Amino acid sequence: TQLLEQSPQFLSIQEGENLTVYCNSSSVFSSLQWYRQEPGEGPVLLVTVVTGGEVKKLKRLTFQFGDARKDSSLHITAAQPGDTGLYLCAGLDQTGANNLFFGTGTRLTVIP
Amino acid sequence: ETGVTQSPTHLIKTRGQQVTLRCSSQSGHNTVSWYQQALGQGPQFIFQYYREEENGRGNFPPRFSGLQFPNYSSELNVNALELDDSALYLCASSLGLAAIYNEQFFGPGTRLTVL
Repeated sequence: TQLLEQSPQFLSIQEGENLTVYCNSSSVFSSLQWYRQEPGEGPVLLVTVVTGGEVKKLKRLTFQFGDARKDSSLHITAAQPGDTGLYLCAGLDQTGANNLFFGTGTRLTVIP
Repeated sequence: ETGVTQSPTHLIKTRGQQVTLRCSSQSGHNTVSWYQQALGQGPQFIFQYYREEENGRGNFPPRFSGLQFPNYSSELNVNALELDDSALYLCASSLGLAAIYNEQFFGPGTRLTVL
């Protein structure tokens, strides 16, 4: 079982601050996805990164895939209360299997 | 709204009982995956169905079984419920198999409590 560790587990910040969430593994993934999950809902896909070293930007969110494709980070600039939620990374392994291995999650709270 | 619905929303069962959870995928999505999400954890892959056949399975015992129907609905069945089966059960539908190219759309989940 591939293990994806996320840090921090919990994060509480003031509106307007910046933050970074990390996703680390000892396994290599062919691609990695980031999701946000809000209470009472399922996870919603934010981005997919495929190439080692790839950086993708989605408005105030910046996603990076590590060069060795074992780790990833999510950086949020000027956080807003609407960013509050559970952030999950999920890796797709190199065997071609179509299932996702989800990380342990980071629960973010942005205080107005 | 992802267009994926699940029923029931909440369910309480006792140890040893059996349960059936239902999922209605987006129209045209021939792939459905089921996940178990324990409190405070990320989802764990249970199994995937493609065109009504099981296409992959995670580290779950055989008492977890599934069915997929031609009308884009599916079921997750769990026999001999254990206390540790208490979790949020999520289904996710996608247009095709390759997760890298086919976004998985998640339903809101069924919260199962086993007493």
